[in-house]
Amino acid sequence: GQQVMQIPQYQHVQEGEDFTTYCNSSTTLSNIQWYKQRPGGHPVFLIQLVKSGEVKKQKRLTFQFGEAKKNSSLHITATQTTDVGTYFCADNRDNYGQNFVFGPGTRLSVLP
Amino acid sequence: DSGVTQTPKHLITATGQRVTLRCSPRSGDLSVYWYQQSLDQGLQFLIQYYNGEERAKGNILERFSAQQFPDLHSELNLSSLELGDSALYFCASATGVHYGYTFGSGTRLTVV
Repeated sequence: GQQVMQIPQYQHVQEGEDFTTYCNSSTTLSNIQWYKQRPGGHPVFLIQLVKSGEVKKQKRLTFQFGEAKKNSSLHITATQTTDVGTYFCADNRDNYGQNFVFGPGTRLSVLP
Repeated sequence: DSGVTQTPKHLITATGQRVTLRCSPRSGDLSVYWYQQSLDQGLQFLIQYYNGEERAKGNILERFSAQQFPDLHSELNLSSLELGDSALYFCASATGVHYGYTFGSGTRLTVV
């Protein structure tokens, strides 16, 4: 079946450094959504990408959808301690049910 | 407060027992989704209900069942519990395919 992979699994950065997580699929992705889960918290929806090559920005966060719709990335500029958490990408398995297949996540640690 | 309410927050029970987890979706959302998150694991889709009817099934064990009631709240029933069922169980609701999931704060189930 379809698999959504994310790399890296873990990332430790110094505060102020940049961070990127990558989401890859063996099949063409439908829609990509990104979520953030703080330690001890629940996933929170960040953004959805739909179009090939789409780029969206939210303050220090930049989200990108690959031209072939087989990968996506989330880039954080100048990380802050508030960015700590696990970032998940999710692909819509089918448009009818909106049942998203979640990637395994990238856990980000930010050292002050 | 995300608007999705889950109870209880914590549950400790013995192997072989049965428990019921409850979820109230965000006002106006007709869909309820259940996800399981084991320790350091990603989110595994269990089941989806839309306006009282089962819409899609994921990796849900036969020992697990769910339903959605006329007032749209949902219950996830877990029976013949095993140690491996210990996990965070999240409920989520969604307005539509473009808006992402809104997750509840989860129920942490510990089977001893």
